[in-house]
Amino acid sequence: DAGVTQSPTHLIKTRGQHVTLRCSPISGHKSVSWYQQVLGQGPQFIFQYYEKEERGRGNFPDRFSARQFPNYSSELNVNALLLGDSALYLCASSSRTDSYEQYFGPGTRLTVT
Amino acid sequence: GEDVEQSLFLSVREGDSSVINCTYTDSSSTYLYWYKQEPGAGLQLLTYIFSNMDMKQDQRLTVLLNKKDKHLSLRIADTQTGDSAIYFCASVSGGYNKLIFGAGTRLAVHP
Repeated sequence: DAGVTQSPTHLIKTRGQHVTLRCSPISGHKSVSWYQQVLGQGPQFIFQYYEKEERGRGNFPDRFSARQFPNYSSELNVNALLLGDSALYLCASSSRTDSYEQYFGPGTRLTVT
Repeated sequence: GEDVEQSLFLSVREGDSSVINCTYTDSSSTYLYWYKQEPGAGLQLLTYIFSNMDMKQDQRLTVLLNKKDKHLSLRIADTQTGDSAIYFCASVSGGYNKLIFGAGTRLAVHP
């Protein structure tokens, strides 16, 4: 079975631009969470979606938004990129919002110049 | 607030046991996790323990939980070079299972 997939693998953007990151959960999983991992730190929670609804939000500015589609895949959007947004963005899937097993994808490495 | 702390670096000889320690602050955490991250990769779920357990063993991995002191440890028996990675401790918070991660412990295994 395929694990969590994310695209693209890497991308480079310029300050002020917008970016969209994509995630497909494990087949049968309905919950997707997004995390930001800055170099040298642990991942920080951004959002959780379940059944297309936002169920949790971390301490991130409104420039960060997300959505989940009927097939349970998800997009993370970041507007007005700052240098500090450079990070590895990780997606995690679980079977439901309160599931104790969360599986991570390989991440998208975003570099903002 | 919610916080997880780990020592940053551990060096062990191949074949020895490794013990990685973690402390957390959220006493309502129902599950505690250990994830492994290799260079340039995502996070691999190694194991987890429910908060009403003291110990969990899974092949070479042993997790010990001291709920009173909010202390979690991961013991890796017979450590191999392939175990070299960053290990993250995480607690879960909130009804939607938000993971709170430590900064990670870099494990270096040398011959």
